[in-house]
Amino acid sequence: KAGVTQTPRYLIKTRGQQVTLSCSPISGHRSVSWYQQTPGQGLQFLFEYFSETQRNKGNFPGRFSGRQFSNSRSEMNVSTLELGDSALYLCASSLVGTSGETQYFGPGTRLLVL
Amino acid sequence: KNEVEQSPQNLTAQEGEFITINCSYSVGISALHWLQQHPGGGIVSLFMLSSGKKKHGRLIATINIQEKHSSLHITASHPRDSAVYICAVNPTPGGGGADGLTFGKGTHLIIQP
Repeated sequence: KAGVTQTPRYLIKTRGQQVTLSCSPISGHRSVSWYQQTPGQGLQFLFEYFSETQRNKGNFPGRFSGRQFSNSRSEMNVSTLELGDSALYLCASSLVGTSGETQYFGPGTRLLVL
Repeated sequence: KNEVEQSPQNLTAQEGEFITINCSYSVGISALHWLQQHPGGGIVSLFMLSSGKKKHGRLIATINIQEKHSSLHITASHPRDSAVYICAVNPTPGGGGADGLTFGKGTHLIIQP
């Protein structure tokens, strides 16, 4: 089975722009979660989608949004980029997203905001 | 105060040594995960625990739910074990924790040949 894929792998944007990141889960997985990793804050949960519905949301401003499609692929969008949004964005998939499940992580998208 | 605390933050050891990384958490949880992150960013899930002990190869993970504590052990450590090891918990709903996985800051492990 192919693993979790994320595109693009690297991205450079300027302040004020918006960005869309994509995540394709492992085939058959219906839950996709997104995480932000920065040197200062470490890994933080952004949101989780299951069957096209947002099931959980972390403590991030409304500039961060996401969606999930019927094929379980997910996108996250960050509008009005700030310098502090520079980070590694990781997605992870699991079958149904319960707490008793292993999560499978993608390689991440490294975003640099100038 | 972080909900998930790891120790030590950094650890350098010689090849062959027995390694222990600790994780303490302050909220009710339904599961605890140990993750490994290599330079370059990729994260691999090592263990998911809700009780007791699990073993995979040279890695052993234990959890004590009453004491809110987990340990990750590496036996016969090898330079390829050098990575960041991250503890993460699934807080139980209404248990005082945030939604979604909550992570520790990680332990940077270097195994020297």
